[in-house]
Amino acid sequence: RKEVEQDPGPFNVPEGATVAFNCTYSNSASQSFFWYRQDCRKEPKLLMSVYSSGNEDGRFTAQLNRASQYISLLIRDSKLSDSATYLCVDTGGFKTIFGAGTRLFVKA
Amino acid sequence: NAGVTQTPKFQVLKTGQSMTLQCAQDMNHEYMSWYRQDPGMGLRLIHYSVGAGITDQGEVPNGYNVSRSTTEDFPLRLLSAAPSQTSVYFCASSYGGLDTEAFFGQGTRLTVV
Repeated sequence: RKEVEQDPGPFNVPEGATVAFNCTYSNSASQSFFWYRQDCRKEPKLLMSVYSSGNEDGRFTAQLNRASQYISLLIRDSKLSDSATYLCVDTGGFKTIFGAGTRLFVKA
Repeated sequence: NAGVTQTPKFQVLKTGQSMTLQCAQDMNHEYMSWYRQDPGMGLRLIHYSVGAGITDQGEVPNGYNVSRSTTEDFPLRLLSAAPSQTSVYFCASSYGGLDTEAFFGQGTRLTVV
């Protein structure tokens, strides 16, 4: 089992839709997680941190479920500009583990 | 603000050649790292540094060397390029350790033929 696993997608959604991605992690001791966004042929950029209590930033909500060892990213009212690959990151333990990413296409 | 600057952006090497990928940051970050990104896989850590003069191996260090003589620069050397090293390489820096936001350079697309 991969240490951080994501559904590669792609997720194809219309503008205005709500879409959710899950990411599972294998290290039960992990405490710190992030979501990064990566546009095609560009570098990853931090989207948001994932806190135990959840984290909301505008249309984006990140949640952590420790019992089931997954984190989620919810995007409401999708925009064309949300089209990108979303990377889940586990920074627990002694190394940073990136998921392979979930591709999202938002269509008009 | 420049942030993290990587050069070159593209490179083609022949098998057995050596080269150095350059990385510089102007944010006075102590922590710097090199990743490679391959299709269907997440970014994998090659080497990292927690400050000038200190480096350590990541997940996939074989075939690569690093040094950190200054806070600003963290070059990655390919000793003898192999086709398996064809990848996109990203340099990143952060103000803290592994659990703080990483700022990435624009990447180097390397092809080894």
